[in-house]
Amino acid sequence: GAVVSQHPSRVICKSGTSVKIECRSLDFQATTMFWYRQFPKQSLMLMATSNEGSKATYEQGVEKDKFLINHASLTLSTLTVTSAHPEDSSFYICSAPKGRGKNTGELFFGEGSRLTVL
Amino acid sequence: GESVGLHLPTLSVQEGDNSIINCAYSNSASDYFIWYKQESGKGPQFIIDIRSNMDKRQGQRVTVLLNKTVKHLSLQIAATQPGDSAVYFCAETPGGFKTIFGAGTRLFVKA
Repeated sequence: GAVVSQHPSRVICKSGTSVKIECRSLDFQATTMFWYRQFPKQSLMLMATSNEGSKATYEQGVEKDKFLINHASLTLSTLTVTSAHPEDSSFYICSAPKGRGKNTGELFFGEGSRLTVL
Repeated sequence: GESVGLHLPTLSVQEGDNSIINCAYSNSASDYFIWYKQESGKGPQFIIDIRSNMDKRQGQRVTVLLNKTVKHLSLQIAATQPGDSAVYFCAETPGGFKTIFGAGTRLFVKA
């Protein structure tokens, strides 16, 4: 079964509004979560690293004021797309590491959230 | 630098044949590599991983080869099945759990 859950799976909003996407680790605690964005027929692009109890770390070129990340608990990270515009329409995917052993780097991914901005 | 997403190359194979998907990674410091499978509209799923102190690892029907000299990974799928049709991404971890994805390859399996 799924170990990382995202909600909503699909969202349509009007231009200028804000949208919040939730990412939950279901049976484990995640002090770190990662947010990716994927445009059609392209690869996943890492946007930011969400850190529980501290500020997120954003990748170069990602606007931190545009994509607000909050990691308020050990099982929940949220991504808020503020003042969304049509170019923000994309597939947003979160992930969390669930170490099976020492230094395991495998990530578990949510099912993704498809955002369409009209 | 970060791997940048490009329009996906495509590999088309006959059911029952073996598939080989190739990937070039970007960071010499990466010490852990993973292959993921992504079906349409879903998040990536783990297939197999390999550490930089290995050059080959086998799983069930899948084998990953690592060539650190030329920063190249390959995924071999034996006896490819229609259910293997998906997009395959290699990923590297240059530090901690931070994972960077390669460009991806779309695999079509013809019945």
